[in-house]
Amino acid sequence: EDQVTQSPEALRLQEGESSSLNCSYTVSGLRGLFWYRQDPGKGPEFLFTLYSAGEEKEKERLKATLTKKESFLHITAPKPEDSATYLCAVTPRGAGNNRKLIWGLGTSLAVNP
Amino acid sequence: SAVISQKPSRDICQRGTSLTIQCQVDSQVTMMFWYRQQPGQSLTLIATANQGSEATYESGFVIDKFPISRPNLTFSTLTVSNMSPEDSSIYLCSVGGGDRGPNEQFFGPGTRLTVL
Repeated sequence: EDQVTQSPEALRLQEGESSSLNCSYTVSGLRGLFWYRQDPGKGPEFLFTLYSAGEEKEKERLKATLTKKESFLHITAPKPEDSATYLCAVTPRGAGNNRKLIWGLGTSLAVNP
Repeated sequence: SAVISQKPSRDICQRGTSLTIQCQVDSQVTMMFWYRQQPGQSLTLIATANQGSEATYESGFVIDKFPISRPNLTFSTLTVSNMSPEDSSIYLCSVGGGDRGPNEQFFGPGTRLTVL
């Protein structure tokens, strides 16, 4: 069964304290892995797409990496405005799955000033 | 990326009634989707809204409970019918594809529904 697991469920950091969020996945072939950020009361905001093992993407203090079994979202020197829930989703290969996303439960990140 | 709006942003409804949620996109898009996000659960795809034809529903969701319209390439509605407290959730529309790539989806702000 296709599955996405995110860890930790919640993370509290001090401003400037770098860390990583994990997204492990089990799918029958990976078409793409996606990271989103969700603020309370809002819809998910697209961050990154990763397609193949070894790929990396960066945006400001965030860097996403991908292996054959998992992805990491590295947060370097976070600021309080980085506080949000970070969601991971994958699209498996296969007919009819071109846009079907399987979602993790997310990691709730709080960055204290 | 497309700008997506939803109406209403939130509502409180009585058991047994129905609510229609609107999703408007500022540009034509091929793929539109409806999701449900319940507390403590991952986003769950309800259906794909197909322009000019019946929506494609995921396992566990049926047209009688969640009828969907897609009259054109910029607009869709989701109706939550005969509501019960278990339908309390955030409902999200998303659009897929475009110049970002074939698989990325972009979400509206969501509709927070509470059923009493």
